[in-house]
Amino acid sequence: SQQGEEDPQALSIQEGENATMNCSYKTSINNLQWYRQNSGRGLVHLILIRSNEREKHSGRLRVTLDTSKKSSSLLITASRAADTASYFCATESGGSNYKLTFGKGTLLTVNP
Amino acid sequence: AAGVIQSPRHLIKEKRETATLKCYPIPRHDTVYWYQQGPGQDPQFLISFYEKMQSDKGSIPDRFSAQQFSDYHSELNMSSLELGDSALYFCASSLGQLEETQYFGPGTRLLVL
Repeated sequence: SQQGEEDPQALSIQEGENATMNCSYKTSINNLQWYRQNSGRGLVHLILIRSNEREKHSGRLRVTLDTSKKSSSLLITASRAADTASYFCATESGGSNYKLTFGKGTLLTVNP
Repeated sequence: AAGVIQSPRHLIKEKRETATLKCYPIPRHDTVYWYQQGPGQDPQFLISFYEKMQSDKGSIPDRFSAQQFSDYHSELNMSSLELGDSALYFCASSLGQLEETQYFGPGTRLLVL
């Protein structure tokens, strides 16, 4: 079943601008993770935020989590052409397993 | 640092044939996950193994089976292939319940003709 839903589905910006992608989910979660995927390639883990955290930073990435609204956002600051990729949020909902439920993804294009 | 290895990277099969995909997790990782990503779709969880036992099952067709071996590598066996099985198949590994992050391999691109 679909858990994470991302918006926008596609985002096109100029180099140097900030990019914000949003993710909503339906059930309670243990953590939410963001992944990046270059066209047809593997998924690269970017950042994990736990359900008891509200904000997390990693380099040019800033992730927020609002469990009351069941939503998260990923902000990429000072974007670069190399940031062009699809970005997925994925939720892990607990139990003894850690399977991830992915959202549809946002295709980010950063124009030089 | 060593990453997750998947083989083959590309595979072309005919309908009704079988395919075996292999996954070698990061050393010391004891948990393996398989995901399927159709064209333009998000990855969908298929199945996972922890310490060589199946730990969870998702939307995996009955035509597919998988196992994890004593060296922790895993194989996904797919039989009676259908056109709709054409997808990118990812394997991910993690250090069981000690680490939440899953590290993904480069994927195997399967094309069924």
